[in-house]
Amino acid sequence: EDKVVQSPLSLVVHEGDTVTLNCSYEVTNFRSLLWYKQEKKAPTFLFMLTSSGIEKKSGRLSSILDKKELSSILNITATQTGDSAIYLCGSASNSGYALNFGKGTSLLVTP
Amino acid sequence: DAGVIQSPRHEVTEMGQEVTLRCKPISGHNSLFWYRQTMMRGLELLIYFNNNVPIDDSGMPEDRFSAKMPNASFSTLKIQPSEPRDSAVYFCASQRRWNTEAFFGQGTRLTVV
Repeated sequence: EDKVVQSPLSLVVHEGDTVTLNCSYEVTNFRSLLWYKQEKKAPTFLFMLTSSGIEKKSGRLSSILDKKELSSILNITATQTGDSAIYLCGSASNSGYALNFGKGTSLLVTP
Repeated sequence: DAGVIQSPRHEVTEMGQEVTLRCKPISGHNSLFWYRQTMMRGLELLIYFNNNVPIDDSGMPEDRFSAKMPNASFSTLKIQPSEPRDSAVYFCASQRRWNTEAFFGQGTRLTVV
């Protein structure tokens, strides 16, 4: 059975800190890994990663996939209180369309 | 585009009642997904459709749950009879095509008392 595990489950940091969120996966016939940010309600898309070693970047957020280690990290530099959210990692396989998600990392950034 | 639209946003019902959740996917998207989110289990896939056809319903917890997609712009998730353990946030998401990101609706918070 496909599995996605995120760590840590929760994290509290101060504004300005840099954080690294981890995602490991066991997926038969892996296709891609996606990161989402969930604030109050709907998860919103951040990144899709398909190739190992290629960093995706958007402002202070960046992510990279390591297919050898079956993992991905999401980095947030110079954190702001607006970064407080649940960050979800989901895997997709070539066997289907749907994303299989981990339980998420709850990030709280304090002023 | 208005995004994925779900209704109602909140639903409180008594145990044993029928509950129907509704979803309008983004126009032109071929795939639709129903997820359920709880603190304990996270975001779980219930069922998904491709071109209005159910592809995988292995995540549907019991026969009390059913989902339909009569056309490309509408889907329902029905729970009959509802139980307190069904209390969760139910999300609908749609995807334009294979290997693209999914877009989520705002969710329906269901409380069964």
